[in-house]
Amino acid sequence: SYELTQPLSVSVALGQTARITCGGNKIRSKTVHWYQQKAGQAPVVVIYRDVNRPSGIPERFSGSTSEDTATLTITRAQGGDEADYYCQVWDSSTAWVFGGGTKLTVL
Amino acid sequence: EVHLVESGGGLVQPGGSLRLSCAASGFTFSSYAMSWVRQAPGKGLEWVSTISANGGSTYYADSVKARFTVSRDSSKNTLFLQMNSLRGEDTATYYCAKLLAGSQTHFDYWAQGTLVTVSS
Repeated sequence: SYELTQPLSVSVALGQTARITCGGNKIRSKTVHWYQQKAGQAPVVVIYRDVNRPSGIPERFSGSTSEDTATLTITRAQGGDEADYYCQVWDSSTAWVFGGGTKLTVL
Repeated sequence: EVHLVESGGGLVQPGGSLRLSCAASGFTFSSYAMSWVRQAPGKGLEWVSTISANGGSTYYADSVKARFTVSRDSSKNTLFLQMNSLRGEDTATYYCAKLLAGSQTHFDYWAQGTLVTVSS
């Protein structure tokens, strides 16, 4: 089965850049989506199809992918960015797969 | 505006059954695949099941296969999840979510979630 690996937590200073990684075997060959989930709320997509931002998501959010790692980058981090972030792909053997989630703390 | 509103969650004993519903509005329900995703308390997201737009194809995570059944009633714009033989590890908030298009697309709208607690 296909697995996605995320760090449990990432901390970033206010106004600095946060990078949240998502590791998966040959993840570059897959389509990666990123969701933000704030406490007590449903997830919201912040990046879809690797690099695309839905309307309403700030330009500070961006996505990139290398051979085995996808990265969500948040520039000029704000307190409102504190949330859990999940990567997700579809795999032909495992179907829809989520990473374990990363808690972002803005210091 | 897209709205997804769930109902049917609650407390159930191990081995029991529960049926979740998700009422959809604001889009052409019969044109989109729909899914269930769950989140155990303090844990991450876990995909549970997906049903195709016409209801002809269904998909399940191994953890729920043969116990859960997803269905839809396009005349009522409603998605269902019938959960049987419930176990403690099924305790979670269950979200229904709309898939933008095909399998490789993202979940573009999510309901608010309904809590299912399996306990004696």
